[in-house]
Amino acid sequence: GENVEQHPSTLSVQEGDSAVIKCTYSDSASNYFPWYKQELGKGPQLIIDIRSNVGEKKDQRIAVTLNKTAKHFSLHITETQPEDSAVYFCAANEDSSYKLIFGSGTRLLVRP
Amino acid sequence: GAVVSQHPSRVICKSGTSVKIECRSLDFQATTMFWYRQFPKQSLMLMATSNEGSKATYEQGVEKDKFLINHASLTLSTLTVTSAHPEDSSFYICSASRGGAAGHGYTFGSGTRLTVV
Repeated sequence: GENVEQHPSTLSVQEGDSAVIKCTYSDSASNYFPWYKQELGKGPQLIIDIRSNVGEKKDQRIAVTLNKTAKHFSLHITETQPEDSAVYFCAANEDSSYKLIFGSGTRLLVRP
Repeated sequence: GAVVSQHPSRVICKSGTSVKIECRSLDFQATTMFWYRQFPKQSLMLMATSNEGSKATYEQGVEKDKFLINHASLTLSTLTVTSAHPEDSSFYICSASRGGAAGHGYTFGSGTRLTVV
């Protein structure tokens, strides 16, 4: 089955700096890679996703890149703000199916 | 946009009792719903996949007789934790998909904090 690894587990940046979170996956058949933001006591919220036919996708301050050959994808947040502080999860679908497998999460802290 | 409502948000129950958690897709029909469990400071672990009108598919290590899942309609799936014990205390989260493949994306509920005393 699919295995998703995520790094780093914690990340602290100064407000205005960029943050990068990286994930690798094992199943070459995976074709959907979403990123979620989870605040304390709440469910995950989709912030951006990418499909395997695209190498990069951007939405304002957030971007995701995908390298299918190396089987890794990354989340980039520019001009970070204190409200970006949360836990971020990457995920990948298993066997091109509907099952989402999550990474271990990254706790991002943006210092004012 | 797609909205998934999950209730209750918090529940405390006595050991040995059962608890039912509801997951509703409010503005779309969800052919497939998923149930996750999340322990403190850990990731989401998929427990089971439910398809409307058929039996749920459980992940390895998840007891199907303990975690009963019903997906009787295209907008409602329920998870019942039977004979709950303190070790079942966790954050349970559902998600819903419009289709069987990943192409339609997923929407997550707000989660249910279960505490068994």
